Amino acid sequence: GNSVTQMEGPVTLSEEAFLTINCTYTATGYPSLFWYVQYPGEGLQLLLKATKADDKGSNKGFEATYRKETTSFHLEKGSVQVSDSAVYFCALITGGGNKLTFGTGTQLKVEL
Amino acid sequence: GAVVSQHPSWVICKSGTSVKIECRSLDFQATTMFWYRQFPKQSLMLMATSNEGSKATYEQGVEKDKFLINHASLTLSTLTVTSAHPEDSSFYICSVSPGQLTYEQYFGPGTRLTVT
Repeated sequence: GNSVTQMEGPVTLSEEAFLTINCTYTATGYPSLFWYVQYPGEGLQLLLKATKADDKGSNKGFEATYRKETTSFHLEKGSVQVSDSAVYFCALITGGGNKLTFGTGTQLKVEL
Repeated sequence: GAVVSQHPSWVICKSGTSVKIECRSLDFQATTMFWYRQFPKQSLMLMATSNEGSKATYEQGVEKDKFLINHASLTLSTLTVTSAHPEDSSFYICSVSPGQLTYEQYFGPGTRLTVT
């Protein structure tokens, strides 16, 4: 079956620090990979996606590269802001299905 | 992206009672809606997929007689937790999909259910 493993949080960083949130996966078939973000009091929002190996998804300064050889999709940002404080979920879909498999989420806290 | 609301945002009920949670798609017609539950420090687990006008498809291990899902219109789906017990306490999240691109799901803010 499919599964997604994320690093546990919370991750606490100072503003302008470099961010990495690790995500690895196991999947039957060839998955599409996603990062979702959930700001306090809001629903999950799609942050970025990659649908094939070596693709790089990017949005709002965040990026993640689909690494098939290491089955990873780590989220990175070069300089975080306080407004990036949220919970980040890594997820995948396989084949033509519509069922998302999520990781447990990683809470990010960015302090001044 | 779509705006999705859930009501209530949190609810406390007594064991043995039933609770209804609403999920509304506010700015587009959603042919498909999904219901998830999330336990603390665990991932979102898909409970069921709801298509307008037809019966919901439940994931393995989810009791369909306990978690009643109704998707009577293209903008509203409801989840009713019947005869709730403390182990049903969780965070319930819905999402909506326009159906064209299956990865496109727009999520509600969730409903915190506590059963005492």
